[in-house]
Amino acid sequence: SQQGEEDPQALSIQEGENATMNCSYKTSINNLQWYRQNSGRGLVHLILIRSNEREKHSGRLRVTLDTSKKSSSLLITASRAADTASYFCATARLGESSGDKLTFGTGTRLAVRP
Amino acid sequence: GAVVSQHPSRVICKSGTSVKIECRSLDFQATTMFWYRQFPKKSLMLMATSNEGSKATYEQGVEKDKFLINHASLTLSTLTVTSAHPEDSSFYICSAMAIANTDTQYFGPGTRLTVL
Repeated sequence: SQQGEEDPQALSIQEGENATMNCSYKTSINNLQWYRQNSGRGLVHLILIRSNEREKHSGRLRVTLDTSKKSSSLLITASRAADTASYFCATARLGESSGDKLTFGTGTRLAVRP
Repeated sequence: GAVVSQHPSRVICKSGTSVKIECRSLDFQATTMFWYRQFPKKSLMLMATSNEGSKATYEQGVEKDKFLINHASLTLSTLTVTSAHPEDSSFYICSAMAIANTDTQYFGPGTRLTVL
């Protein structure tokens, strides 16, 4: 399956700064989800945005979705050292049941310096 | 929240042996579980979709005889890597989709397989 692209591949910021990660995908989607993965661990679901939504917030996270450009962004505000992790976007394709067969992006490795 | 466990978390085996990895949904029922493979610093690649009571659906390029999947109950799926070789060394992650909420997949902590 085709994967989405994420940029940047790696991002290093100072604690307190905001971090923005972008994701582009290729097919029509039902929804787009963002996950976090600490090194050598499983994935934690962060937020889901549906194809008819443009923006969503959850705590310090803000996600936008532009279906015309097939792109999404994840903004983490007031970053903390504990936010250091890899972040992946994943898309559920249109035509399949919502939540089935996620296609993951390439991921962004975020490092937050104390 | 929904919890998915995997066992073992790490396994080292000799080339030619078979390894079984278990994926359990601890506090919910999952008719569908997914198996992914992840290489270092890379993304997750879907290997197969496991449905309770039926045969797994494998992604293109994944050998079904190599990676045997059994989904015997609503809380357990197993992945058996048969006749493992060093190139099978990887991080294997499962996820489970709850019957009540098909929007979200809950991921296990992963299993690190090293084949010598």
